[in-house]
Amino acid sequence: GAGVSQTPSNKVTEKGKYVELRCDPISGHTALYWYRQSLGQGPEFLIYFQGTGAADDSGLPNDRFFAVRPEGSVSTLKIQRTERGDSAVYLCASSLRDRAQTGQFFGPGTRLTVL
Amino acid sequence: AQSVSQHNHHVILSEAASLELGCNYSYGGTVNLFWYVQYPGQHLQLLLKYFSGDPLVKGIKGFEAEFIKSKFSFNLRKPSVQWSDTAEYFCAVRDAGGTSYGKLTFGQGTILTVHP
Repeated sequence: GAGVSQTPSNKVTEKGKYVELRCDPISGHTALYWYRQSLGQGPEFLIYFQGTGAADDSGLPNDRFFAVRPEGSVSTLKIQRTERGDSAVYLCASSLRDRAQTGQFFGPGTRLTVL
Repeated sequence: AQSVSQHNHHVILSEAASLELGCNYSYGGTVNLFWYVQYPGQHLQLLLKYFSGDPLVKGIKGFEAEFIKSKFSFNLRKPSVQWSDTAEYFCAVRDAGGTSYGKLTFGQGTILTVHP
């Protein structure tokens, strides 16, 4: 079946602008995760959803970052007033549920560049 | 807070050499452990995982890892690498006893280059 998809694959924006990054999880997966990966680093946890609610948003760096998953499927990560330090690859992953022993299935990522 | 340390940033081997990539984590509670791999141009894929039971776990493509609780380690091994194993490898840990069951903490990654 189809894997996790993310759009856009690349996003270039200017400092101060607003961006939205979209994630379509694997069909039937109730848990959805967002990570951020900077160059030369491993993925860094941002937030995860179990169903429609955010189960843990402790990784969001500040209040410029926000994520939603209104219908328990697609999720959008929103970044306000972007800064150059927000440049990174934003990864989305999903799993059947957060306690699933299958591990998390990752998408290809969105590369965000803030000029 | 949990942290994961991967000892080597870049490992270079010739085909047929044996591989061991180190991973140590700092957390004293019950953990689940994972190795993910990212081949050039591809997304992260699960290589193997440990939840409980036999501390020696086998994954895809001939990889295995050993969980040594007393050393807080989960090293990845392969007896004979191939050129196609060239990739970046990430170790990750999850707090199995906490409330944030979905959060993975990753190491910084190890780039493996295998020369034919």
